Amino acid sequence: EAQVTQNPRYLITVTGKKLTVTCSQNMNHEYMSWYRQDPGLGLRQIYYSMNVEVTDKGDVPEGYKVSRKEKRNFPLILESPSPNQTSLYFCASSSLIATRGGGGYTFGSGTRLTVV
Amino acid sequence: GENVEQHPSTLSVQEGDSAVIKCTYSDSASNYFPWYKQELGKRPQLIIDIRSNVGEKKDQRIAVTLNKTAKHFSLHITETQPEDSAVYFCAARPRKVNTGFQKLVFGTGTRLLVSP
Repeated sequence: EAQVTQNPRYLITVTGKKLTVTCSQNMNHEYMSWYRQDPGLGLRQIYYSMNVEVTDKGDVPEGYKVSRKEKRNFPLILESPSPNQTSLYFCASSSLIATRGGGGYTFGSGTRLTVV
Repeated sequence: GENVEQHPSTLSVQEGDSAVIKCTYSDSASNYFPWYKQELGKRPQLIIDIRSNVGEKKDQRIAVTLNKTAKHFSLHITETQPEDSAVYFCAARPRKVNTGFQKLVFGTGTRLLVSP
């Protein structure tokens, strides 16, 4: 089954304790991206990757890091989490080729992060 | 950069009525406009999309219209059912070279409630 898998689904952590949210897709998609969802603000892009070893900042990258060492994986790293990073996070992937559905995202199931 | 505004933020209708959600975008070069449905506690899922060379697209009870001149697009749901209750997000893909052209900029969402 074609899917984007995120882990964990829920995470409560303390300020300053490094954490990683994993994201993996099995569709051979070139493009992967992280979004955070906050009430009244919709979905805002954190980072994206066009392909292996190619990553760039989105609209709200402060406090986050990413890596793309393999095509299928795109982890989100919070080196020193703060309470303002409490949010619902979604990983998404997309093909860059229109004939393979390029354009629309497939989202992961989400990670609800609470930083206390 | 691209900015997408979505209205209304909440919409309540009776079962069987029609629902219309409207979005405006700022970047006239945007070329792809998907709509996502997010049920409570679940991931956003693509329900319909339209490209800039098309003015209207239908899929059973849902349709999307695009007015490029006015830079707005709308989602129309006819014969609404309680299972249509969800948050709906519009998005636009700005056409920029070498800066993540797969990026989607999302509206802030519309909570649709369909009462039996």
